[in-house]
Amino acid sequence: DAGITQSPRYKITETGRQVTLMCHQTWSHSYMFWYRQDLGHGLRLIYYSAAADITDKGEVPDGYVVSRSKTENFPLTLESATRSQTSVYFCASSESRQGSNEQYFGPGTRLTVT
Amino acid sequence: DAKTTQPTSMDCAEGRAANLPCNHSTISGNEYVYWYRQIHSQGPQYIIHGLKNNETNEMASLIITEDRKSSTLILPHATLRDTAVYYCIVRANYGGSQGNLIFGKGTKLSVKP
Repeated sequence: DAGITQSPRYKITETGRQVTLMCHQTWSHSYMFWYRQDLGHGLRLIYYSAAADITDKGEVPDGYVVSRSKTENFPLTLESATRSQTSVYFCASSESRQGSNEQYFGPGTRLTVT
Repeated sequence: DAKTTQPTSMDCAEGRAANLPCNHSTISGNEYVYWYRQIHSQGPQYIIHGLKNNETNEMASLIITEDRKSSTLILPHATLRDTAVYYCIVRANYGGSQGNLIFGKGTKLSVKP
């Protein structure tokens, strides 16, 4: 049971490049989330998705694009990476919102933009 | 939005109970209290949640005051592996943005041998 996985775990890219972070969950959870974590800011929500083909902005969506063509995958794309997007990115999933807001987090992707 | 107040840091001796407080004086009637923790360099981990009643699971106990304005997370026998940042979050179980979790700075718990 793999749970929720993220790839790559570490990535170094240059300013202006496009980079995609992958997230895959094996539970068929409806909800998926992308957070970024920076020193001094804690975890901030970038985008979330309630189901396949349904996505919505979180607190800090600018500079990011998401898609959700399949329930199990929720890729995050930085279309033109900037140094301010250097961060640790966490993906999460949850079954539903009705009974519980219990989210399961992936191990994170550490992204450095040079 | 309901907000929470937690101490910045706490120490606990290994084997003793760790009691982590959280104030949420503006909590609404339909908002739950959630606790997550984040061990260094890992993703956050769900611990427990509750609405009104006290809750217990294999990881911890959650004590919520009768007026719901504060709560305490109890780790009954802290180990070195419980050293982490603990986040107290209040949130309703809605499907839209109102249901999104908002992580504050949390309490850094250091369990010492």
